[in-house]
Amino acid sequence: AQSVTQLGSHVSVSEGALVLLRCNYSSSVPPYLFWYVQYPNQGLQLLLKYTSAATLVKGINDFEAEFKKSETSFHLTKPSAHMSDAAEYFCAVSFSRADRGSTLGRLYFGRGTQLTVWP
Amino acid sequence: NAGVTQTPKFRVLKTGQSMTLLCAQDMNHEYMYWYRQDPGMGLRLIHYSVGEGTTAKGEVPDGYNVSRLKKQNFLLGLESAAPSQTSVYFCASRRDRPQETQYFGPGTRLLVL
Repeated sequence: AQSVTQLGSHVSVSEGALVLLRCNYSSSVPPYLFWYVQYPNQGLQLLLKYTSAATLVKGINDFEAEFKKSETSFHLTKPSAHMSDAAEYFCAVSFSRADRGSTLGRLYFGRGTQLTVWP
Repeated sequence: NAGVTQTPKFRVLKTGQSMTLLCAQDMNHEYMYWYRQDPGMGLRLIHYSVGEGTTAKGEVPDGYNVSRLKKQNFLLGLESAAPSQTSVYFCASRRDRPQETQYFGPGTRLLVL
């Protein structure tokens, strides 16, 4: 079962424009939510994560995401895109306890969104 | 503190050959993972381990075996490589709580001819 859905496999913005990358999850237990970034020919690195404290989470490079339980969403935003933000972004979820169709100890990834930034 | 390292960085195999990918972490993490990444498919979990001496299957375990004889190492084996196993392989590790960050290695590019 797909636990994480990223809407839009490709997103293009102009430099200086707002970045919005969408992520929805499915879970019947409290989730932990993550955004990872992957630059070309590199491994993934953590951008930010939600672990049940503040619902608005700030990460590196001015990215932030808001956990909205009612919408089961964790969208990633940045007010002003920079050329260096061009990368692939992955949303992921883990679970605080075992859930139907999921396993403790695992991180479930979305399929990724490729962000292109035009000059 | 090197984090998560992977060996080799790149390898070309012929169909039917075998090889082992090595993942090492120096953060004393309990959990370790092997993923493969293919265009449009995101990251798919092959096998994982929740501690030394334990392993479990992920989403796409067929054609792969793993071993975790030492806490810091997690080995991924291909007994008889197939072209469908051409991919980029990532290892990751984390502490034993689900809210902990998963740390990734730099990846191994494998081409099976």
